[in-house]
Amino acid sequence: AQSVTQPDIHITVSEGASLELRCNYSYGATPYLFWYVQSPGQGLQLLLKYFSGDTLVQGIKGFEAEFKRSQSSFNLRKPSVHWSDAAEYFCAVGAVNSGNTPLVFGKGTRLSVIA
Amino acid sequence: DVKVTQSSRYLVKRTGEKVFLECVQDMDHENMFWYRQDPGLGLRLIYFSYDVKMKEKGDIPEGYSVSREKKERFSLILESASTNQTSMYLCASSFQGRLREQYFGPGTRLTVT
Repeated sequence: AQSVTQPDIHITVSEGASLELRCNYSYGATPYLFWYVQSPGQGLQLLLKYFSGDTLVQGIKGFEAEFKRSQSSFNLRKPSVHWSDAAEYFCAVGAVNSGNTPLVFGKGTRLSVIA
Repeated sequence: DVKVTQSSRYLVKRTGEKVFLECVQDMDHENMFWYRQDPGLGLRLIYFSYDVKMKEKGDIPEGYSVSREKKERFSLILESASTNQTSMYLCASSFQGRLREQYFGPGTRLTVT
């Protein structure tokens, strides 16, 4: 079965600083990988996804993520954080060979942005 | 744009009441999901459905039931609400197969008093 670990519960960065949110997954083959963002009181919005091919994927709002098979990681990055990026971020993994099974989500990382 | 709507943003119910949470999607998705979200626990899957009239238990189905009579609509039912069901409830939908990213509704904040 798949599992996802987001090691950081809460991260604080200064506005304009770079950001990296960590995600490690457990799965027997190359999975589908996703990052979602949740603003306070809202539902989750898809930031980016990886299915295959180029291991560096670009998403919305200036985010990118890199799939590293050897490390079972899919870390999310942004070169310069804006105050509006303060939110909760969720990494998720999907099984490649099953079209019906739900994604498995990590417990999330809360990002705070300070001036 | 995919749209997933939930019947209420905020709901307050009394202990023992029967509660219906409704979710509608407009993208002809086969899969639909109900999650609850609590601080520190992330998203926990309650039930999901991959076809009309089909349902599968998730990680925490106790105290909940679901109904899917039409493809676009997935209802979550709390048969007898309890205070420990106070939570944020999120509905999601997706296609099956490769394009399986889930699209989420805005959530319903349910308070049971």
